[in-house]
Amino acid sequence: NAGVTQTPKFQVLKTGQSMTLQCAQDMNHNSMYWYRQDPGMGLRLIYYSASEGTTDKGEVPNGYNVSRLNKREFSLRLESAAPSQTSVYFCAGGGLYSNQPQHFGDGTRLSIL
Amino acid sequence: AQSVTQPDIHITVSEGASLELRCNYSYGATPYLFWYVQSPGQGLQLLLKYFSGDTLVQGIKGFEAEFKRSQSSFNLRKPSVHWSDAAEYFCAVGSNDYKLSFGAGTTVTVRA
Repeated sequence: NAGVTQTPKFQVLKTGQSMTLQCAQDMNHNSMYWYRQDPGMGLRLIYYSASEGTTDKGEVPNGYNVSRLNKREFSLRLESAAPSQTSVYFCAGGGLYSNQPQHFGDGTRLSIL
Repeated sequence: AQSVTQPDIHITVSEGASLELRCNYSYGATPYLFWYVQSPGQGLQLLLKYFSGDTLVQGIKGFEAEFKRSQSSFNLRKPSVHWSDAAEYFCAVGSNDYKLSFGAGTTVTVRA
């Protein structure tokens, strides 16, 4: 039982490059989330998907796009990476008994030069 | 707008001693409250949650939290900490609308 799996775990990009972060869950979660974590700021919601086929903006959506490919997969895309997007990105699943994240992946550490 | 304040950035506690982490929130309606723990290099793990009912909530790993509406607080406690409790702890507040607001976190160091 893998839970929530994120790939890659680490990535270095140059400014202007694009990249897609992948997330897959095998816990039958209805809702999925993408957060970024920056020092001293806790987690901030980028986008979420309440159910398959729907996506909505969170607190900091600018510069990102998402796709809920199916119930299991929820990807995050950076179209033109900027140094301000250097962060640790977490995917989470939820919705088993409330509309909040229950299980998190181990994160993707992204550096943009 | 909802917000969470964790007043303590860093706490050091001796193994076997009690631990209390503070959380104050601002929310216009009845809040949903959560505590998460994050070990180094890993994602967050849900420790416990409060939606309604009994204001003293039991969680995993021997943790509990008490909701005090009059003080807008949801403090996390553990009677006797273990070295494995060294981690970062996050309080979060929201409603049933998918959007949580997280505090900045409290790092707990456990000394032998």
